[in-house]
Amino acid sequence: AQTVTQSQPEMSVQDAETVTLSCTYDTSENNYYLFWYKQPPSRQMILVIRQEAYKQQNATENRFSVNFQKAAKSFSLKISDSQLGDTAMYFCAFMESSGDKLTFGTGTRLAVRP
Amino acid sequence: DSGVTQTPKHLITATGQRVTLRCSPRSGDLSVYWYQQSLDQGLQFLIQYYNGEERAKGNILERFSAQQFPDLHSELNLSSLELGDSALYFCASDVDGGGIPNEQFFGPGTRLTVL
Repeated sequence: AQTVTQSQPEMSVQDAETVTLSCTYDTSENNYYLFWYKQPPSRQMILVIRQEAYKQQNATENRFSVNFQKAAKSFSLKISDSQLGDTAMYFCAFMESSGDKLTFGTGTRLAVRP
Repeated sequence: DSGVTQTPKHLITATGQRVTLRCSPRSGDLSVYWYQQSLDQGLQFLIQYYNGEERAKGNILERFSAQQFPDLHSELNLSSLELGDSALYFCASDVDGGGIPNEQFFGPGTRLTVL
């Protein structure tokens, strides 16, 4: 079974600064998909960024980018120019190539300080 | 707004009772997923339906069941409720439901409190 590990329960960053959230996973699959979801205080789950394992290029979405290291099974999220609205729980998630369920990590609570 | 609707938003009930959570997927989405978010277990996958048929099963208790109707809305039935069933229950939907992993769009969740 796949597992996803987020070793940082809480992180804090000054606004306008950069922060990196860590995620590692375990799988025997070669093709799979990785995601970062944001859960603000409203509890809504919002997709931040996705990465296909067969793509070597790291995904980017505006201020959000990932560092995908397939051999190391590592998938970190970098948030540049942090904003107060980035304050939320961030979940790393794994999906098999069959494309069904998401397996989530335990989350990292990010606080952006003014 | 993801386009996925869930009702009710909040539900408070007693141990031993039965409740039904409802989910309407985005227009055009064929697949519905149910997830449970609790303090003990984190976010975990319960069950998936695709076009009316069960497609995948996760850590869903035998006291829990689900179905997807011809109009593609889904219901999650929770029976013989226990204190530990208190959680936020999410429904998500996507177009293909497997094979081509599209983004799963999450509903706002139903907060279940069992007293």
